Amino acid sequence: SQTIHQWPATLVQPVGSPLSLECTVEGTSNPNLYWYRQAAGRGLQLLFYSVGIGQISSEVPQNLSASRPQDRQFILSSKKLLLSDSGFYLCAWSLGQLRTGYTFGSGTRLTVV
Amino acid sequence: AQSVAQPEDQVNVAEGNPLTVKCTYSVSGNPYLFWYVQYPNRGLQFLLKYITGDNLVKGSYGFEAEFNKSQTSFHLKKPSALVSDSALYFCAVRANNAGNMLTFGGGTRLMVKP
Repeated sequence: SQTIHQWPATLVQPVGSPLSLECTVEGTSNPNLYWYRQAAGRGLQLLFYSVGIGQISSEVPQNLSASRPQDRQFILSSKKLLLSDSGFYLCAWSLGQLRTGYTFGSGTRLTVV
Repeated sequence: AQSVAQPEDQVNVAEGNPLTVKCTYSVSGNPYLFWYVQYPNRGLQFLLKYITGDNLVKGSYGFEAEFNKSQTSFHLKKPSALVSDSALYFCAVRANNAGNMLTFGGGTRLMVKP
């Protein structure tokens, strides 16, 4: 069966420090991968999505970047965190035409201090 | 462009009463529709989906939803609410020509009081 792993679960980082959040998927091949941010327990903001290795689409200009070095690995990064980067970050994967929707990871709570 | 509206930020119901969480959508073509639930500090969990077939879809934890094409709605329902149903609920849609992207509604917080 397919599983998605996202870590760390919580992270407290000072302003100006770098960031690296990792997401991996097991049990499937060629997944579509997504990074979302959720502020204050409300709506989802799509940050990045990827349909293949090295293929990244950015939905909003920001202080963050994403990379997909392997088929089932998706990394969210920042060189210098801002206070406004605080939030709940969710990784998700899907296959093909979305008949099964998205499967989400358990999320990372990032607090920038 | 496709869009999803969840008109209520919060729905309050008493335990044991029926609940409805509303969702309307706008897409071109036939939609794929989904409901997800999110508990505090957790990822979204799949509840149910409509792809094709019967308009009434049954899902996890006793939830169901009815696809209404004429009203472009996909409301989530449960006959008898539990306190443990209190959570944030998201409706999502994919148009059948929209590739691999879901569009999510803004979420509705369900509060079930004992």
